Amino acid sequence: DTEVTQTPKHLVMGMTNKKSLKCEQHMGHRAMYWYKQKAKKPPELMFVYSYEKLSINESVPSRFSPECPNSSLLNLHLHALQPEDSALYLCASSQDRGTGNTIYFGEGSWLTVV
Amino acid sequence: DAKTTQPPSMDCAEGRAANLPCNHSTISGNEYVYWYRQIHSQGPQYIIHGLKNNETNEMASLIITEDRKSSTLILPHATLRDTAVYYCIVSGEAGNMLTFGGGTRLMVKP
Repeated sequence: DTEVTQTPKHLVMGMTNKKSLKCEQHMGHRAMYWYKQKAKKPPELMFVYSYEKLSINESVPSRFSPECPNSSLLNLHLHALQPEDSALYLCASSQDRGTGNTIYFGEGSWLTVV
Repeated sequence: DAKTTQPPSMDCAEGRAANLPCNHSTISGNEYVYWYRQIHSQGPQYIIHGLKNNETNEMASLIITEDRKSSTLILPHATLRDTAVYYCIVSGEAGNMLTFGGGTRLMVKP
């Protein structure tokens, strides 16, 4: 089973709302990732967690706040977003951050900020 | 991580082999070549990866040149469902993470 599950699939939120995107995997993977993909563009890395610790933050604005409560779960907390933050948010996982490991993606959460 | 160069688009007839090229002339010794594809509105799907040797799985074959500066992904019998954006990614220098380039939009036609 190589499944990464993301919820919700679609989210519409106002600029003053607080919401969260959730990601779950049960493959025993210890590295998890958040990517952002704007329309007609390739995915862009946002955050990398390794063994539940944040190891990479690609200069993402603080209105995006990641959290890794345990080795199976990864959250992305959203607050005071702007309409330009509307995008597909992708979660991924791999066994660990060692080279040569396969990274598996979820189907993504479509976010619309109004 | 090394950068890659791919043609922006390609066409392929249904049932024929699709050969997708990728140039990665600055690849270093410990970097892997990964291929993913993304069908519209879905998450990227892993296809195959390799370091030096050619690789084959149930989805595709990966041919890496001896100098490792380029590779080709081969879909042996393309179907309409193979229409997607195909990404060639080199990864390994900065730990296991993927930096996506523009990819190749493959259109399989009847």
